[in-house]
Amino acid sequence: DGGITQSPKYLFRKEGQNVTLSCEQNLNHDAMYWYRQDPGQGLRLIYYSQIVNDFQKGDIAEGYSVSREKKESFPLTVTSAQKNPTAFYLCASSISSGRIDTQYFGPGTRLTVL
Amino acid sequence: GNSVTQMEGPVTLSEEAFLTINCTYTATGYPSLFWYVQYPGEGLQLLLKATKADDKGSNKGFEATYRKETTSFHLEKGSVQVSDSAVYFCALSQNTGNQFYFGTGTSLTVIP
Repeated sequence: DGGITQSPKYLFRKEGQNVTLSCEQNLNHDAMYWYRQDPGQGLRLIYYSQIVNDFQKGDIAEGYSVSREKKESFPLTVTSAQKNPTAFYLCASSISSGRIDTQYFGPGTRLTVL
Repeated sequence: GNSVTQMEGPVTLSEEAFLTINCTYTATGYPSLFWYVQYPGEGLQLLLKATKADDKGSNKGFEATYRKETTSFHLEKGSVQVSDSAVYFCALSQNTGNQFYFGTGTSLTVIP
């Protein structure tokens, strides 16, 4: 089955620690995205990548970093510089970012900072 | 700029009631419009979409019509079921970078 997987589903971290969220897709999509979801605020774009070895900042990139070394993988690191990291994080992909296309979402990772 | 405004929830309906969730947008050019649904603890699933004015997207009894003259894409269903309880997101996308702009979501609860 093709799809997007995110792991872990739940993640706990202590203040001051960096943590990396995994996102993998086997849809052969070129474009991948990371969103943050907070209650009552909808989804906000953190980073996106149109091709391997290239990525762009979204609306709320501060305190986050990404890499895109493989087409299938787009991990997100939440650094200690992110002031309020507790949130639900969603990864998405689309065939291409060069045209309008449906974005497909993973099941999400809920990060809680203790 | 681009933005989406959808009606605030939560919305609570009895089973078999008629559903409307309003969505209006601001965009330059000719965006595509989407409705996504999110069940508790899960990611978003595409519900329906429309790519040009007057298109009607439909799926699982839900419908929405792309109205350019009113910049709207309201979601409707004639008879809701308990299983339709979820959060619904309206979104638009422009050509450049396929960046999506999401509304804040509308929570729907259907009671038996």
